[in-house]
Amino acid sequence: AQKVTQAQTEISVVEKEDVTLDCVYETRDTTYYLFWYKQPPSGELVFLIRRNSFDEQNEISGRYSWNFQKSTSSFNFTITASQVVDSAVYFCALSEASDYKLSFGAGTTVTVRA
Amino acid sequence: EPEVTQTPSHQVTQMGQEVILRCVPISNHLYFYWYRQILGQKVEFLVSFYNNEISEKSEIFDDQFSVERPDGSNFTLKIRSTKLEDSAMYFCASSVAIAGTSTDTQYFGPGTRLTVL
Repeated sequence: AQKVTQAQTEISVVEKEDVTLDCVYETRDTTYYLFWYKQPPSGELVFLIRRNSFDEQNEISGRYSWNFQKSTSSFNFTITASQVVDSAVYFCALSEASDYKLSFGAGTTVTVRA
Repeated sequence: EPEVTQTPSHQVTQMGQEVILRCVPISNHLYFYWYRQILGQKVEFLVSFYNNEISEKSEIFDDQFSVERPDGSNFTLKIRSTKLEDSAMYFCASSVAIAGTSTDTQYFGPGTRLTVL
């Protein structure tokens, strides 16, 4: 069974538009951690943000913000005022206290057009 | 800022040959991981490693794969007899603490693109 689902395959926006990426996760653990990683065209995986299951406070960091809703098992990520450099594949990932790995979603390709 | 490094960036090999992919984790990190990403697909976990032992491995990580920390800085992934389906990007990652804990953020290297012909 998929532990992390990213239903959006591709999103295309014009520069300065906001982009929201959806992520739904599945776990039986009460303690877990959620992440967003960015994979630009150059191929590396860049850590963006993490959230602990026991802290549902939503935050903003620069142009990034996230909405963690335990009740719906969702961890959505928003890029405000998108820029061309934001064009990348974005992966949501889950780590659980019961195992020793990150489980990734399938990724959402974001294309920001000038 | 400390980072994970990987060599080579691209490796081309013939089917049946052995390859060794190398990684230098961040120096104060204790947990090491290998993941792979077949072109256009999601990132898949292969193995986690701590204290010179495998902590967990996936179904992908069969007897053809092995990992080693030969010295205090390098972490290697060996594929004994490569197959066409091993062609992928291989990422090394490291973390201060084990996945599933409060300081478990995994930082990834730039990847090694393995092409098996």
